[in-house]
Amino acid sequence: GQNIDQPTEMTATEGAIVQINCTYQTSGFNGLFWYQQHAGEAPTFLSYNVLDGLEEKGRFSSFLSRSKGYSYLLLKELQMKDSASYLCAVRDWGDYKLSFGAGTTVTVRA
Amino acid sequence: DVKVTQSSRYLVKRTGEKVFLECVQDMDHENMFWYRQDPGLGLRLIYFSYDVKMKEKGDIPEGYSVSREKKERFSLILESASTNQTSMYLCASSLGRGKDEQFFGPGTRLTVL
Repeated sequence: GQNIDQPTEMTATEGAIVQINCTYQTSGFNGLFWYQQHAGEAPTFLSYNVLDGLEEKGRFSSFLSRSKGYSYLLLKELQMKDSASYLCAVRDWGDYKLSFGAGTTVTVRA
Repeated sequence: DVKVTQSSRYLVKRTGEKVFLECVQDMDHENMFWYRQDPGLGLRLIYFSYDVKMKEKGDIPEGYSVSREKKERFSLILESASTNQTSMYLCASSLGRGKDEQFFGPGTRLTVL
């Protein structure tokens, strides 16, 4: 994975919805991951997409379009504890390693 | 639960010192990784290993080396620490097949004076 772009910061209100976009360029796509990282803590795995479409997991959903090199992470019914950095990462075919975007810091306000 | 542990949460070293960062995983994972994380730059891969005694360079290997003598342990070595190596260092491991998500340790914040 190369050239992974995501917004630097987003702010939203408690109870609202936020969509974090991620675009990527890769020579041979083999999966896209979203991680959540609270300040001072390790990243934790949120979601994985390898086929086009929407994957839903509770309040969090992740979408992938391989032809557009595009994914988004949708956070619904935002809670204060969702304030964190969200990392988009892409794996190339035949590779073990991930390439990470710089992360999007989401701030949830009361 | 997969557990990835790192030897220190905080470390302060002097320029020129040799520094060892240790990482241990307890789930028999094949792959292990070392990243550094800096503000605005995200996670950058230093080295990874897909088997015991096997290693591959990541995106920024200069100034670092690694050792994997046992499957569960992956060490990062700074041969001669420099101030530009002040950073958060994160270790991760993954199964090596299937979805193959990476599990991260808590990180070591290294300061080189």
